[in-house]
Amino acid sequence: QKEVEQDPGPLSVPEGAIVSLNCTYSNSAFQYFMWYRQYSRKGPELLMYTYSSGNKEDGRFTAQVDKSSKYISLFIRDSQPSDSATYLCAMSVGANSKLTFGKGITLSVRP
Amino acid sequence: DVKVTQSSRYLVKRTGEKVFLECVQDMDHENMFWYRQDPGLGLRLIYFSYDVKMKEKGDIPEGYSVSREKKERFSLILESASTNQTSMYLCAAGGGYTGELFFGEGSRLTVL
Repeated sequence: QKEVEQDPGPLSVPEGAIVSLNCTYSNSAFQYFMWYRQYSRKGPELLMYTYSSGNKEDGRFTAQVDKSSKYISLFIRDSQPSDSATYLCAMSVGANSKLTFGKGITLSVRP
Repeated sequence: DVKVTQSSRYLVKRTGEKVFLECVQDMDHENMFWYRQDPGLGLRLIYFSYDVKMKEKGDIPEGYSVSREKKERFSLILESASTNQTSMYLCAAGGGYTGELFFGEGSRLTVL
C-alpha cells in the first residue's frame, strides 16, 4: 500500500459546483497536512495547511482532516474556471521531515 | 514568502551531455530539495540537503548528483543525460517545523 493515495482523476465540473478532493494515507505518524495547487507549466504553491484533525476554512476553500480514518479532503465551493489546476495533497510527520505527496488530481472547471 | 528561482525554464540537451540545473532561494532556509514530476508518477524526490555541503539521497537518486556550496544555492547535475531523464524538475526550499515547502517554477528538460 502506498503511503498516500489520491484519486487519479481527471475531474471536470461546471462553474459554481462544489468540488471534493480526497486523499487517504497509511502512516499514522503524519501530523501536518497540506494541499498544493499547481497551474499548468508552473511549480506547486501552498493552498491550505492543517495541523492534526479538524477543519480549516479560507474563503471558498475548506480543508478537512480525519486522523481516525486517515482521510483528508479539500472542498471548493462555488468553483471558478480559475480553479482549474492540479491539486496535490501532501503530509509530514513534523520538524524537518520530508513531505510525502499524493500523485495529484487535475481539475477542470467549465464556464 | 520564500522565493525560489530556477535559472532555466526550458532546456533541450542531447544524450550523454552533462546538464546543470541551478536553484536559488532567498529566505535562508536550511533545507532544499530537488524533485522530478512525471505524468502518472507524481512528484518524486531525487536529492535533498539540510545544510551547506550536506546531501542525502531521495527516492530516485540514480543518474543524478547535487552540489550545495552556499546555503542559498542547490544544483542538480545530470552527469550523462539520458532520454529517460526527460522530465519537469522542481526545486523547493523549506521544510522547517511543519514540512511546508516553497517551490520554484520548474525546469522542463528534454533529452534527445
